[in-house]
Amino acid sequence: AQSVTQPDIHITVSEGASLELRCNYSYGATPYLFWYVQSPGQGLQLLLKYFSGDTLVQGIKGFEAEFKRSQSSFNLRKPSVHWSDAAEYFCAVDTSNTGKLIFGQGTTLQVKP
Amino acid sequence: NAGVMQNPRHLVRRRGQEARLRCSPMKGHSHVYWYRQLPEEGLKFMVYLQKENIIDESGMPKERFSAEFPKEGPSILRIQQVVRGDSAAYFCASSPPGTLDTEAFFGQGTRLTVV
Repeated sequence: AQSVTQPDIHITVSEGASLELRCNYSYGATPYLFWYVQSPGQGLQLLLKYFSGDTLVQGIKGFEAEFKRSQSSFNLRKPSVHWSDAAEYFCAVDTSNTGKLIFGQGTTLQVKP
Repeated sequence: NAGVMQNPRHLVRRRGQEARLRCSPMKGHSHVYWYRQLPEEGLKFMVYLQKENIIDESGMPKERFSAEFPKEGPSILRIQQVVRGDSAAYFCASSPPGTLDTEAFFGQGTRLTVV
């Protein structure tokens, strides 16, 4: 069955430190890949997406993600974290190109001052 | 262009009552998706609709839950005879016609509490 795994449930980083959130998927081909951010009590905001082409994609708020086919991974990175980045982050895949998404469990990011 | 609009934002129902959640997709979008987020969990797909058609309802519970997207008006997710386990955040997303490089846009969600 298709699935998305985010191995880290909680991550705490200091403000200004670099960040990497991991995401692995299980699917026979290359799906469409997404990262969303959710602030408490809010909806989901799209950070970035990968459909095809360059495997390093740039998103909003200084985030980037790299697709690695050999590892079935789509890890999210940011060089320098800001306190406002504290939120929950979801990796998602679309395996059918219909807009139907399979989500990971999410990673909660805390930022220490 | 307004985003995906969901209402109400918060809904409280007693056990056994009915809950109706509404979703107005973005202008020009004809595809609607409903997801459920239980506490401390990720989002789980429930149903995918196009105007007047249910395309994929593989994530819908077999009983008490139904969804529609009529020709006119918003999409409705209906939960009959609610139970405490239905308490969750329900998110709607919409996407434009066509299936190439589809991206879905999410609403703010409806938080249902069953007391």
